[in-house]
Amino acid sequence: DIQMTQSPSSLSASVGDRVTITCRASQGISNYLAWYQQKPGKVPKLLIYAASTLQSGVPSRFSGSGSGTDFTLTISSLQPEDVATYYCQKYNSAPPNFGQGTRLEIK
Amino acid sequence: EVQLVESGGGLVQPGGSLRLSCAASGFTFSSYWMSWVRQAPGKGLEWVANIKQDGSEKYYVDSVKGRFTISRDNAKNSLYLQMNSLRAEDTAVYYCARGKGVYYDWGQGTLVTVSS
Repeated sequence: DIQMTQSPSSLSASVGDRVTITCRASQGISNYLAWYQQKPGKVPKLLIYAASTLQSGVPSRFSGSGSGTDFTLTISSLQPEDVATYYCQKYNSAPPNFGQGTRLEIK
Repeated sequence: EVQLVESGGGLVQPGGSLRLSCAASGFTFSSYWMSWVRQAPGKGLEWVANIKQDGSEKYYVDSVKGRFTISRDNAKNSLYLQMNSLRAEDTAVYYCARGKGVYYDWGQGTLVTVSS
């Protein structure tokens, strides 16, 4: 199975900061990569799919990039409502594994 | 508006069974793969199973193969997960999700607790 590894596991940043989360696949997955946001006590929400396509309704400060094995989720200007755990997920083949998550807090 | 409403969770003893249901509305249910994803308390997300539009293909994570069965009733816009031989490690919130690999919409989840 292809494993997904996110880094860092947690980070703390200030409002307005540019934040980058990395996801690495143990084998190439082309661009079959999605990002989800899960706010505390809430249901996961799709942010990005196909590595860089923003889901409808998601603020434009979120962006995704990468292909093959290395991917990034970037928040261009961190807002208080972005406090959440972020998960990457590959979906090129079964099982559609998730990364372990990155917890984002406000400094 | 897409709505996915899970039910059927609860407390069950190890070795017991539960059947989860997911009622779907707001989209053409029969046109989409559907999935179950779970999240153990304080842990990350784990895909459990998915099922093709007509039910002809079903896939499971290795840890539940032979114990869980996913099914659907397109006439009732409903998804199901029959869980047998439950173990402590199956304790989790179980989410119903629309999609096969990309999960466009999620239900609110139903908690399954396996404990004596």
